[in-house]
Amino acid sequence: QQQVKQSPQSLIVQKGGISIINCAYENTAFDYFPWYQQFPGKGPALLIAIRPDVSEKKEGRFTISFNKSAKQFSLHIMDSQPGDSATYFCAARLEGAGSYQLTFGKGTKLSVIP
Amino acid sequence: DARVTQTPRHKVTEMGQEVTMRCQPILGHNTVFWYRQTMMQGLELLAYFRNRAPLDDSGMPKDRFSAEMPDATLATLKIQPSEPRDSAVYFCASGLRTDNEQFFGPGTRLTVL
Repeated sequence: QQQVKQSPQSLIVQKGGISIINCAYENTAFDYFPWYQQFPGKGPALLIAIRPDVSEKKEGRFTISFNKSAKQFSLHIMDSQPGDSATYFCAARLEGAGSYQLTFGKGTKLSVIP
Repeated sequence: DARVTQTPRHKVTEMGQEVTMRCQPILGHNTVFWYRQTMMQGLELLAYFRNRAPLDDSGMPKDRFSAEMPDATLATLKIQPSEPRDSAVYFCASGLRTDNEQFFGPGTRLTVL
């Protein structure tokens, strides 16, 4: 059972454009929603994260929008740059019992073309 | 510059052979995770340790996979016997119980022929 569904699988954006990646989750017990960025040959690295008590979080050109009622959250990359080309993973953490396990979406490969 | 290290970075082996992957978590981190990444399945959690004790290994095929933490500076993932379907990139990540971020290592790319 895939608990976090991510779309699109791949995305091509012009330099300076807005990249949007969407995720939907099923389990309402998830309490923490991070996005990880992965460059080829590297491990994923935390980019930005949000908790369900806020609807938006912005860090530089990266913004998470969170819709608790729809059980959806999205990553927006403003003014996309070729250096943003990477695979992006959304994830969700299950609340309770001191659990810190993350369930990841299947990833979106972003290509920003000059 | 604290980072998670993994060895080997690449491993090619034949079906039936034993494979051991090693991870050195960031000093002071008390949680360690093992993930497997494939194109089809994405990132899957295999096992999870806190303070060297295994908390969850439900994602791991028990008949052939085993994960241990002999000490706080070393985590191992062993596959015996290996099969072609085990070909993947295996990541180790570490973190603090009091924090949410997981720090990933560079991965071990395993190819089983």
